[in-house]
Amino acid sequence: TAGITQAPTSQILAAGRSMTLRCTQDMRHNAMYWYRQDLGLGLRLIHYSNTAGTTGKGEVPDGYSVSRANTDDFPLTLASAVPSQTSVYFCASSDQLSVTFFGQGTRLTVV
Amino acid sequence: DAKTTQPTSMDCAEGRAANLPCNHSTISGNEYVYWYRQIHSQGPQYIIHGLKNNETNEMASLIITEDRKSSTLILPHATLRDTAVYYCIVRVAGSQGNLIFGKGTKLSVKP
Repeated sequence: TAGITQAPTSQILAAGRSMTLRCTQDMRHNAMYWYRQDLGLGLRLIHYSNTAGTTGKGEVPDGYSVSRANTDDFPLTLASAVPSQTSVYFCASSDQLSVTFFGQGTRLTVV
Repeated sequence: DAKTTQPTSMDCAEGRAANLPCNHSTISGNEYVYWYRQIHSQGPQYIIHGLKNNETNEMASLIITEDRKSSTLILPHATLRDTAVYYCIVRVAGSQGNLIFGKGTKLSVKP
């Protein structure tokens, strides 16, 4: 099984432009998450969704939005990118035992 | 979620067992111990989890002390590809909410 698929793998984005990072899972997990990881820092939660149709804010939600129209997809949108959003973004999902599976990440550079 | 304490870094010779300790003295009765690792530039990877009995899978073994206040992750025959940051996390299985990653242990496997 593919698990968690993120796209694109990497992207260079001009400041002020919008972008959607895609995340799809094939494990039918209810809970999904978006994290960012900056050099030398740990993972920080941006947004989460406990089930389709619901979303919540994490530790660093400003400048990001998410939607959860169905179980499989959890896109993350940057409406107007800024250089401080340069980071590696990880999407994740977790099962009923809280075992969490991560995608391979999207490396975003905002210039 | 209970707090965990791990050494900042450890070295291990290739082919030898790597024993990574974790203290979780405030763990409550319904909290599990989860281990993840993050290899450089990749998404975090689930390794193993357990409640009170020792657990083994194809990746590792998890030894939990009888009082459950500490545990050890064992990689029986470490390889260079096991070089990563290893995270010990304690939480109630099935609980909502994201994983909170601490600083983990940087394991360096040396030839």
